Amino acid sequence: DAGITQSPRHKVTETGTPVTLRCHQTENHRYMYWYRQDPGHGLRLIHYSYGVKDTDKGEVSDGYSVSRSKTEDFLLTLESATSSQTSVYFCAISPGLAGESEQYFGPGTRLTVT
Amino acid sequence: GESVGLHLPTLSVQEGDNSIINCAYSNSASDYFIWYKQESGKGPQFIIDIRSNMDKRQGQRVTVLLNKTVKHLSLQIAATQPGDSAVYFCAESYRGGNKLVFGAGTILRVKS
Repeated sequence: DAGITQSPRHKVTETGTPVTLRCHQTENHRYMYWYRQDPGHGLRLIHYSYGVKDTDKGEVSDGYSVSRSKTEDFLLTLESATSSQTSVYFCAISPGLAGESEQYFGPGTRLTVT
Repeated sequence: GESVGLHLPTLSVQEGDNSIINCAYSNSASDYFIWYKQESGKGPQFIIDIRSNMDKRQGQRVTVLLNKTVKHLSLQIAATQPGDSAVYFCAESYRGGNKLVFGAGTILRVKS
Protein backbone atom coordinates (compact mmCIF):
# COMPACT_ATOMS: atom_id res chain seq x y z
CA ASP A 1 0.00 0.00 0.00
CA ALA A 2 2.72 2.47 -1.02
CA GLY A 3 4.05 3.08 2.49
CA ILE A 4 0.72 4.06 4.02
CA THR A 5 -0.65 2.68 7.26
CA GLN A 6 -3.93 3.43 8.96
CA SER A 7 -4.85 2.87 12.56
CA PRO A 8 -6.94 1.45 13.96
CA ARG A 9 -8.06 -0.92 11.18
CA HIS A 10 -11.37 -1.60 12.90
CA LYS A 11 -13.24 0.34 15.54
CA VAL A 12 -16.64 0.16 17.17
CA THR A 13 -17.74 3.18 19.14
CA GLU A 14 -20.88 4.63 20.63
CA THR A 15 -22.86 7.61 19.41
CA GLY A 16 -21.59 10.85 20.89
CA THR A 17 -18.04 9.72 21.59
CA PRO A 18 -14.99 11.33 19.95
CA VAL A 19 -12.96 9.21 17.54
CA THR A 20 -9.59 9.85 15.94
CA LEU A 21 -8.25 7.93 12.98
CA ARG A 22 -4.60 8.10 12.05
CA CYS A 23 -2.89 7.94 8.69
CA HIS A 24 0.88 7.56 8.55
CA GLN A 25 3.04 7.66 5.42
CA THR A 26 6.70 6.93 4.81
CA GLU A 27 6.81 8.39 1.27
CA ASN A 28 7.29 12.05 2.25
CA HIS A 29 4.45 13.05 -0.07
CA ARG A 30 3.09 16.55 0.26
CA TYR A 31 -0.60 15.80 -0.24
CA MET A 32 -2.76 13.65 2.02
CA TYR A 33 -6.48 12.94 1.78
CA TRP A 34 -9.26 11.38 3.81
CA TYR A 35 -12.15 9.66 2.02
CA ARG A 36 -15.15 7.73 3.17
CA GLN A 37 -16.66 4.86 1.21
CA ASP A 38 -20.27 3.82 1.48
CA PRO A 39 -22.32 1.39 -0.62
CA GLY A 40 -23.79 3.17 -3.60
CA HIS A 41 -21.72 6.33 -3.09
CA GLY A 42 -18.23 5.32 -4.07
CA LEU A 43 -15.39 7.31 -2.55
CA ARG A 44 -16.12 10.82 -1.28
CA LEU A 45 -13.51 13.31 -0.14
CA ILE A 46 -13.79 14.50 3.47
CA HIS A 47 -10.71 16.72 3.92
CA TYR A 48 -7.29 17.00 2.41
CA SER A 49 -3.93 18.53 3.28
CA TYR A 50 -1.44 20.25 1.00
CA GLY A 51 1.27 20.64 3.61
CA VAL A 52 1.97 20.74 7.32
CA LYS A 53 -0.82 22.70 9.00
CA ASP A 54 -2.45 23.33 5.59
CA THR A 55 -5.83 21.67 5.17
CA ASP A 56 -9.05 22.22 3.25
CA LYS A 57 -12.54 20.81 3.14
CA GLY A 58 -13.81 18.23 0.72
CA GLU A 59 -17.26 17.20 -0.40
CA VAL A 60 -18.51 15.74 2.92
CA SER A 61 -16.61 17.60 5.66
CA ASP A 62 -19.46 18.29 8.11
CA GLY A 63 -18.86 16.54 11.44
CA TYR A 64 -15.15 15.95 10.72
CA SER A 65 -11.97 17.82 11.50
CA VAL A 66 -8.37 17.11 10.54
CA SER A 67 -4.91 18.00 11.65
CA ARG A 68 -1.44 17.63 10.18
CA SER A 69 1.39 18.59 12.46
CA LYS A 70 4.01 16.50 10.64
CA THR A 71 4.48 15.58 7.00
CA GLU A 72 3.98 11.90 7.73
CA ASP A 73 0.81 12.03 9.84
CA PHE A 74 -2.73 13.11 8.98
CA LEU A 75 -5.40 12.72 11.64
CA LEU A 76 -9.16 12.59 11.11
CA THR A 77 -11.36 13.37 14.11
CA LEU A 78 -15.03 12.81 14.58
CA GLU A 79 -15.81 15.17 17.45
CA SER A 80 -19.07 13.42 18.35
CA ALA A 81 -19.66 10.29 16.33
CA THR A 82 -23.08 9.66 14.79
CA SER A 83 -24.52 6.52 13.20
CA SER A 84 -24.36 8.21 9.79
CA GLN A 85 -20.58 8.20 10.13
CA THR A 86 -20.46 4.42 10.10
CA SER A 87 -18.32 3.82 7.05
CA VAL A 88 -14.98 2.66 5.73
CA TYR A 89 -12.40 5.44 5.83
CA PHE A 90 -9.45 5.57 3.46
CA CYS A 91 -6.40 7.73 3.56
CA ALA A 92 -4.56 8.57 0.35
CA ILE A 93 -1.29 10.30 -0.48
CA SER A 94 0.15 11.88 -3.60
CA PRO A 95 3.30 13.76 -4.52
CA GLY A 96 1.39 16.38 -6.51
CA LEU A 97 -2.00 17.94 -6.98
CA ALA A 98 -4.94 15.63 -7.71
CA GLY A 99 -4.96 16.89 -11.26
CA GLU A 100 -1.24 16.18 -11.70
CA SER A 101 -0.53 12.75 -10.25
CA GLU A 102 -2.15 9.60 -9.00
CA GLN A 103 -3.16 9.04 -5.41
CA TYR A 104 -2.13 5.97 -3.44
CA PHE A 105 -4.51 4.55 -0.90
CA GLY A 106 -4.07 2.95 2.50
CA PRO A 107 -5.78 -0.26 3.64
CA GLY A 108 -8.75 1.49 5.25
CA THR A 109 -10.39 1.73 8.67
CA ARG A 110 -13.80 0.22 9.21
CA LEU A 111 -15.71 2.35 11.73
CA THR A 112 -19.00 1.32 13.25
CA VAL A 113 -20.96 3.79 15.36
CA THR A 114 -23.64 2.11 17.48
CA GLY B 1 -13.06 -1.86 2.10
CA GLU B 2 -16.44 -3.21 1.15
CA SER B 3 -17.47 -1.24 -1.86
CA VAL B 4 -20.20 -3.37 -3.35
CA GLY B 5 -23.39 -1.46 -3.52
CA LEU B 6 -26.86 -2.57 -4.36
CA HIS B 7 -26.88 -0.68 -7.64
CA LEU B 8 -23.37 -1.12 -9.00
CA PRO B 9 -23.28 -2.39 -12.57
CA THR B 10 -21.74 -5.83 -12.92
CA LEU B 11 -19.72 -7.25 -15.77
CA SER B 12 -19.30 -11.03 -15.90
CA VAL B 13 -16.68 -12.45 -18.25
CA GLN B 14 -15.16 -15.82 -18.93
CA GLU B 15 -11.55 -16.33 -17.94
CA GLY B 16 -9.33 -15.58 -20.91
CA ASP B 17 -11.78 -13.21 -22.58
CA ASN B 18 -11.21 -9.48 -22.87
CA SER B 19 -13.12 -7.13 -20.55
CA ILE B 20 -14.31 -3.61 -21.24
CA ILE B 21 -15.40 -1.42 -18.36
CA ASN B 22 -17.03 1.89 -19.18
CA CYS B 23 -17.25 5.18 -17.37
CA ALA B 24 -19.04 8.42 -18.20
CA TYR B 25 -17.45 11.46 -16.61
CA SER B 26 -19.28 14.62 -15.71
CA ASN B 27 -16.99 17.63 -15.99
CA SER B 28 -16.03 18.81 -19.46
CA ALA B 29 -13.13 20.70 -17.86
CA SER B 30 -11.58 17.48 -16.54
CA ASP B 31 -8.29 16.67 -18.23
CA TYR B 32 -6.84 13.94 -16.01
CA PHE B 33 -8.40 10.52 -15.54
CA ILE B 34 -7.46 7.50 -13.46
CA TRP B 35 -8.63 3.92 -13.14
CA TYR B 36 -8.49 2.13 -9.79
CA LYS B 37 -9.08 -1.49 -8.84
CA GLN B 38 -10.44 -2.41 -5.44
CA GLU B 39 -10.48 -5.92 -4.10
CA SER B 40 -12.67 -6.89 -1.20
CA GLY B 41 -11.27 -5.67 2.11
CA LYS B 42 -8.53 -3.55 0.52
CA GLY B 43 -7.91 0.02 -0.51
CA PRO B 44 -8.16 1.14 -4.14
CA GLN B 45 -5.09 0.27 -6.22
CA PHE B 46 -3.87 2.51 -9.04
CA ILE B 47 -4.06 0.85 -12.47
CA ILE B 48 -3.47 3.46 -15.15
CA ASP B 49 -4.01 7.15 -15.87
CA ILE B 50 -4.44 9.28 -18.97
CA ARG B 51 -4.39 12.97 -19.83
CA SER B 52 -6.83 14.62 -22.20
CA ASN B 53 -4.11 15.27 -24.78
CA MET B 54 -4.16 11.51 -25.43
CA ASP B 55 -7.00 9.27 -26.54
CA LYS B 56 -5.35 5.96 -25.73
CA ARG B 57 -2.77 4.67 -23.30
CA GLN B 58 -1.56 1.15 -22.77
CA GLY B 59 -0.17 -0.58 -19.73
CA GLN B 60 0.49 -4.17 -18.86
CA ARG B 61 -2.61 -6.04 -20.11
CA VAL B 62 -4.69 -2.87 -19.76
CA THR B 63 -5.64 -0.10 -22.15
CA VAL B 64 -7.52 3.09 -21.35
CA LEU B 65 -9.47 4.89 -24.06
CA LEU B 66 -10.69 8.45 -23.76
CA ASN B 67 -13.43 10.01 -25.88
CA LYS B 68 -13.67 13.66 -24.92
CA THR B 69 -16.45 14.37 -27.39
CA VAL B 70 -18.92 12.23 -25.47
CA LYS B 71 -17.10 12.39 -22.10
CA HIS B 72 -16.49 8.67 -22.00
CA LEU B 73 -13.67 6.61 -20.59
CA SER B 74 -13.13 2.89 -20.91
CA LEU B 75 -10.73 0.34 -19.44
CA GLN B 76 -9.90 -2.72 -21.47
CA ILE B 77 -8.37 -5.73 -19.76
CA ALA B 78 -6.84 -8.34 -22.04
CA ALA B 79 -7.03 -12.07 -21.24
CA THR B 80 -9.00 -11.52 -18.06
CA GLN B 81 -7.90 -13.65 -15.11
CA PRO B 82 -9.67 -14.64 -11.87
CA GLY B 83 -7.38 -12.22 -10.02
CA ASP B 84 -8.94 -9.39 -11.98
CA SER B 85 -12.23 -9.87 -10.13
CA ALA B 86 -12.78 -6.64 -8.22
CA VAL B 87 -14.62 -3.33 -8.28
CA TYR B 88 -13.20 -0.84 -10.78
CA PHE B 89 -13.50 2.92 -10.35
CA CYS B 90 -12.79 5.75 -12.72
CA ALA B 91 -11.85 9.15 -11.31
CA GLU B 92 -11.46 12.59 -12.88
CA SER B 93 -9.69 15.82 -12.11
CA TYR B 94 -8.19 18.76 -13.96
CA ARG B 95 -4.77 20.39 -14.14
CA GLY B 96 -4.33 22.43 -10.99
CA GLY B 97 -7.25 20.72 -9.31
CA ASN B 98 -6.92 19.51 -5.74
CA LYS B 99 -9.61 16.88 -5.83
CA LEU B 100 -10.38 13.62 -7.54
CA VAL B 101 -14.03 12.87 -8.23
CA PHE B 102 -14.79 9.16 -8.29
CA GLY B 103 -17.46 7.26 -10.16
CA ALA B 104 -19.62 4.74 -8.32
CA GLY B 105 -17.75 1.72 -9.65
CA THR B 106 -18.30 -1.41 -11.72
CA ILE B 107 -18.05 -4.96 -10.42
CA LEU B 108 -16.02 -7.31 -12.60
CA ARG B 109 -16.63 -11.02 -12.06
CA VAL B 110 -14.42 -13.53 -13.83
CA LYS B 111 -15.80 -17.00 -14.36
CA SER B 112 -13.36 -19.90 -14.49
